[in-house]
Amino acid sequence: DTAVSQTPKYLVTQMGNDKSIKCEQNLGHDTMYWYKQDSKKFLKIMFSYNNKELIINETVPNRFSPKSPDKAHLNLHINSLELGDSAVYFCASSRAGENTEAFFGQGTRLTVV
Amino acid sequence: AQSVTQLGSHVSVSEGALVLLRCNYSSSVPPYLFWYVQYPNQGLQLLLKYTSAATLVKGINGFEAEFKKSETSFHLTKPSAHMSDAAEHGCAPRDHGFNKFYFGSGTKLNVKP
Repeated sequence: DTAVSQTPKYLVTQMGNDKSIKCEQNLGHDTMYWYKQDSKKFLKIMFSYNNKELIINETVPNRFSPKSPDKAHLNLHINSLELGDSAVYFCASSRAGENTEAFFGQGTRLTVV
Repeated sequence: AQSVTQLGSHVSVSEGALVLLRCNYSSSVPPYLFWYVQYPNQGLQLLLKYTSAATLVKGINGFEAEFKKSETSFHLTKPSAHMSDAAEHGCAPRDHGFNKFYFGSGTKLNVKP
């Protein structure tokens, strides 16, 4: 039973399109995250949600809009995709305690052509 | 704001040799500290974590790390490298009071036969 699952695993799309990546966790965690992995950084935080409320938005372009319908889900919608959006996007979740680790999904490789 | 430095984007060792991957954090208040490993085309897996208990932390697959407050460091070591250790490794401090894991640029470990 996968703890943090993302769909799709691969996404190839044209510039200008709108796409969504879905994330679900079955760990009962209160906090969920979206991270971006590209050639420059191992992982860069994009958003952090706690109990469905946005608590961190790391100067991500407005084209990226996270949505958390409930504590177990955090989806990422991207409008007007650009070539530079090509990357691997990771969803993660953690318990509220600060000494607890984050659990990561398998990642979604987004390629914009 | 917290920042993390991982010296050496690529580290290459021979099988059986000592592995040393460096991690330095920036905050004056010691954060919680985590090391993650990412095998090729996979998600992230927790190797070990420092949570203010013992300064020498043992993790999975024979890895360990020592927290040194005076050096603001949390270097990852393994006495004898195995071919299966070849992967990307990321150090992630987590500040007290923040739902955010900071990642640096990561270190790619290569193990030569």
